[in-house]
Amino acid sequence: QVQLVQSGSELKKPGASVTVSCKASGYTFTTYYLTWVRQAPGQGLESMGWINTNTGNPTYDQDFTGRFVFSLDTSVRTAYLQITGLTPGDTAVYYCAREGVLGQLDYWGQGTQVTVSS
Amino acid sequence: SSDLTQDPVESVALGQTVRLTCLGDSLRKYAASWYQQRPGQAPVLVLYGQNRRPSGIPDRFSGSTSGNTASLTITGAQAEDEADYYCKSRDFSGHHHVFGPGTKVSVL
Repeated sequence: QVQLVQSGSELKKPGASVTVSCKASGYTFTTYYLTWVRQAPGQGLESMGWINTNTGNPTYDQDFTGRFVFSLDTSVRTAYLQITGLTPGDTAVYYCAREGVLGQLDYWGQGTQVTVSS
Repeated sequence: SSDLTQDPVESVALGQTVRLTCLGDSLRKYAASWYQQRPGQAPVLVLYGQNRRPSGIPDRFSGSTSGNTASLTITGAQAEDEADYYCKSRDFSGHHHVFGPGTKVSVL
């Protein structure tokens, strides 16, 4: 069965960096794009962008350029989200999700809580 | 604008029907998909395409699109349907996903 398993919760200080991983199983990793979604406390879902798992080419949404990097290691079927220069405003749950052929996000990771606090 | 609009709150009596709507000009070009999110859980896809349900989603969930409006209907709402529901489409370029602000559904 398709699964996306994300890394565990992170507590970071302002200015630090964090890397969230998303390990896929149960399907051909390079066939489906992976999307990253942020959910700030008490807020809705916000698309951060996506990565072409075949080429490794990332696409970032407007509010997620500069400090955010999507990457892959196809040998271990894993996608990564790196955030640098963390601020308390980055405190959120970060999800990875697989994009199906009609653009639907059909499988989601369990989410990774990132907390930024001094 | 590529923005999507949803009513923030809806309530429905147990066993009754509720229709959630999602408005946006991009819906004229790109299909909507709908996600259910219960408190403390990851979102779950409940509808996509014109009216497709993933395996395991009850048939009380149905959808339609007309013009710039996509709808999700829950027919015979159950207590477990109480959740936040988000619609999603794309921006006009087609390169970016766009989520609606979500509707909080209460089952009374």
